[in-house]
Amino acid sequence: EAGVTQFPSHSVIEKGQTVTLRCDPISGHDNLYWYRRVMGKEIKFLLHFVKESKQDESGMPNNRFLAERTGGTYSTLKVQPAELEDSGVYFCASSQGLGQGIAETQYFGPGTRLLVL
Amino acid sequence: QKEVEQNSGPLSVPEGAIASLNCTYSDRGSQSFFWYRQYSGKSPELIMFIYSNGDKEDGRFTAQLNKASQYVSLLIRDSQPSDSATYLCAVGGDYGNNRLAFGKGNQVVVIP
Repeated sequence: EAGVTQFPSHSVIEKGQTVTLRCDPISGHDNLYWYRRVMGKEIKFLLHFVKESKQDESGMPNNRFLAERTGGTYSTLKVQPAELEDSGVYFCASSQGLGQGIAETQYFGPGTRLLVL
Repeated sequence: QKEVEQNSGPLSVPEGAIASLNCTYSDRGSQSFFWYRQYSGKSPELIMFIYSNGDKEDGRFTAQLNKASQYVSLLIRDSQPSDSATYLCAVGGDYGNNRLAFGKGNQVVVIP
């Protein structure tokens, strides 16, 4: 079974440009999450999709970040315009969505390393 | 106050010894607790999860949870060089809250 995949693995852009990150969750997983790790800090939650709906977007830093999950399969995270402080590693994770209530195991992708110059 | 704290600094252990990692959390409503291992440049990989107070063993790994004291720990027995990695403690919220709060991680170096 394929794991969570992310594209691109690295991206270097200039301040003010736009970048779009893509995540393909494990097949059949209803839950998809985005996290971010900036230099020297812990991994922080950005948002959570259940199928195509945003369940929790409380971690999104500002309106320069837009996440979509059309059709409930893959997801994109667009940063427009990018700022220097957006540099970091963006992780995507997915979980089955068994409806057990308690937080279930999340499987992580390898991350996209974003550098904004 | 940070949500999840892991004691800082790399942990060096000789091969075959026990590595002990600790993690404290601030949200008393937390219900699920995870330990992830991350090799440099790779994705975090789940090692253990624990939901109930007490110990949970899986091979060479033992997770311990004490909700009253709000800490969770991970023991790695018979440490191997392949265990050298960063270990991340992650805490999940109460019912309906799936987001994980992570600690900064502990680097473990197993010396052959």
